[in-house]
Amino acid sequence: GAGVSQSPSNKVTEKGKDVELRCDPISGHTALYWYRQSLGQGLEFLIYFQGNSAPDKSGLPSDRFSAERTGGSVSTLTIQRTQQEDSAVYLCASSARQGARNEQFFGPGTRLTVL
Amino acid sequence: GENVEQHPSTLSVQEGDSAVIKCTYSDSASNYFPWYKQELGKRPQLIIDIRSNVGEKKDQRIAVTLNKTAKHFSLHITETQPEDSAVYFCAASIWAGTASKLTFGTGTRLQVTL
Repeated sequence: GAGVSQSPSNKVTEKGKDVELRCDPISGHTALYWYRQSLGQGLEFLIYFQGNSAPDKSGLPSDRFSAERTGGSVSTLTIQRTQQEDSAVYLCASSARQGARNEQFFGPGTRLTVL
Repeated sequence: GENVEQHPSTLSVQEGDSAVIKCTYSDSASNYFPWYKQELGKRPQLIIDIRSNVGEKKDQRIAVTLNKTAKHFSLHITETQPEDSAVYFCAASIWAGTASKLTFGTGTRLQVTL
């Protein structure tokens, strides 16, 4: 079946502009995660959604970052007033609600460049 | 919060040799430890994982060991092949049968040379 998809694949924006990144999880997966990968760095947790529970926002680096998940499926990560340090690859992942393992399936990412 | 350290940052081995990547974690409540492989320009993919109720798990040429007391876990790749060249990330989480965030190490770039 289809995997996790993200759009756009690349986004170039000017400092101070707002951007929206989209994630379509695997159908039936109730958990959705956002991570950020800076050049040569590991993956930094941002936020995750699990079903109808309140999202875990503990990884959001500032109040310029927000995310929502509509209808328990598609998610949008919004970065307001972008800064150059926001430049990174933003990865979305999804996982099934229950199971013996917490396997997270990643999307291809959105490469964000802030000029 | 959890902190995961990973070593080495780069590793070069000859084809056929073994490779070992080590990670340590800080939160003793963590109980699930996956390893992800990320090839150049590709998305990370799970290759093996281990839960804290076992000390070792093996899948063909890949094995993971866990020492809960020392809060160490390691990835072992035997008989390395060129297609093993990639960046490997360890991670830790508190897994209770539902969603949980992963805390990743900073990655190890493995280069398998002919």
